[in-house]
Amino acid sequence: DAGVIQSPRHEVTEMGQEVTLRCKPISGHDYLFWYRQTMMRGLELLIYFNNNVPIDDSGMPEDRFSAKMPNASFSTLKIQPSEPRDSAVYFCASSRVRGETQYFGPGTRLLVL
Amino acid sequence: EDQVTQSPEALRLQEGESSSLNCSYTVSGLRGLFWYRQDPGKGPEFLFTLYSAGEEKEKERLKATLTKKESFLHITAPKPEDSATYLCAVTTNYGQNFVFGPGTRLSVLP
Repeated sequence: DAGVIQSPRHEVTEMGQEVTLRCKPISGHDYLFWYRQTMMRGLELLIYFNNNVPIDDSGMPEDRFSAKMPNASFSTLKIQPSEPRDSAVYFCASSRVRGETQYFGPGTRLLVL
Repeated sequence: EDQVTQSPEALRLQEGESSSLNCSYTVSGLRGLFWYRQDPGKGPEFLFTLYSAGEEKEKERLKATLTKKESFLHITAPKPEDSATYLCAVTTNYGQNFVFGPGTRLSVLP
């Protein structure tokens, strides 16, 4: 398996612009997680899906953030409008069972100017 | 509130100098403790899962152990390629989402 795939790997945008991050989980994994990593706060869980359904979005910082999973092999995390404080590395991870090993993608490094 | 701390924050070792990293947790009903390695610019890479006190797992120069309140990642005769940030995370029987520690940045000098 190719592992978790994320795109783009790097994104530079200006404040106020819409940003869309993409993730393809490992085939057969029923759980998908979106994390944000910063130096100050470490890895934070934003939202997770089970069988394409959002289960817990309590980690989403603001209404500017939204996530979708239209099918088992694709998810997006959207920020609209983006702000400089959104600059971070965003990771997608997937697992077969909740509470078990999560496999991470390479991340998207976002810089909002 | 579930908490995970790691120490030290950073560690510099000479090649061949063995040491241990600590992960302490305060949770109710531990389900599993996970160790990950993260290289700069990459996603966390899974290393080990431990489920019960007394359990040990080994992989090359790394050995992870678990007690009721903490886990250790022992690094024996490290090499420069072992340099990375090591993260631990826990899941609980009721929460089941990962709670990550802040990580330990390990540098192994040749």
